[in-house]
Amino acid sequence: QVRLQESGPGLVKPSETLSLTCTVSGGSISTNYWSWIRQPPGKGLEWIGYIYYSGSTNYNRSLKSRVTISLDTSKNQFSLKLSSVTAADTAVYYCARGGFWSGLHTRGYFDYWGQGTLVTVSS
Amino acid sequence: QSVLTQPPSVSAAPGQKVTISCSGSNSNIGNNYVSWYQQLPGTAPKLLIYDNNQRPSGIPDRFSGSKSGTSATLGITGLQTGDEADYYCGVWDTSRSTGLFGGGTKLTVL
Repeated sequence: QVRLQESGPGLVKPSETLSLTCTVSGGSISTNYWSWIRQPPGKGLEWIGYIYYSGSTNYNRSLKSRVTISLDTSKNQFSLKLSSVTAADTAVYYCARGGFWSGLHTRGYFDYWGQGTLVTVSS
Repeated sequence: QSVLTQPPSVSAAPGQKVTISCSGSNSNIGNNYVSWYQQLPGTAPKLLIYDNNQRPSGIPDRFSGSKSGTSATLGITGLQTGDEADYYCGVWDTSRSTGLFGGGTKLTVL
């Protein structure tokens, strides 16, 4: 059974960089796509981006200038960095296995999720 | 305002059937595969349907998915109180080059 667990600071100051790590157990990170998804309090889901095990990435266009997702295969972890945060970035952040893969018609889904971690942006 | 439109809420009695719609366009639902997620209160989303109509292992056949044109539908039969949750559709948008989720639909089992 694949398990994902997010970790990182629960409070980040405005203009600083949000950093989260997702630790994967029960399976190797050296296969599949791995994503970050967030959910502001009381609102819907927003896909942030994914990293493929090869290291290639794809980010939500609205966040692309501020997002970096990276992989550490030695630790079976992947990470999210979101720079220049504001209060609008306050959300529960989920890591998940999955992404989107192009073909004639693009497929995509997220089959395993972490429990989520609340990150509040406030001074 | 989400690019994918879902009804904010639906309701039905235990044992009954309900459908949840997800309306989009040719740049997303019309040409790509849809997935559906169930989010029980206070928990992470759970994959219910992928590739428009495929159920992952362990998902009961009470849950079904379909797609027609630029709309997708999640169906739930034999409603149980434990089905009360928020439901989200998800799909890739080719024009926007980004993954999208619908705004979510809250299901109440009366």
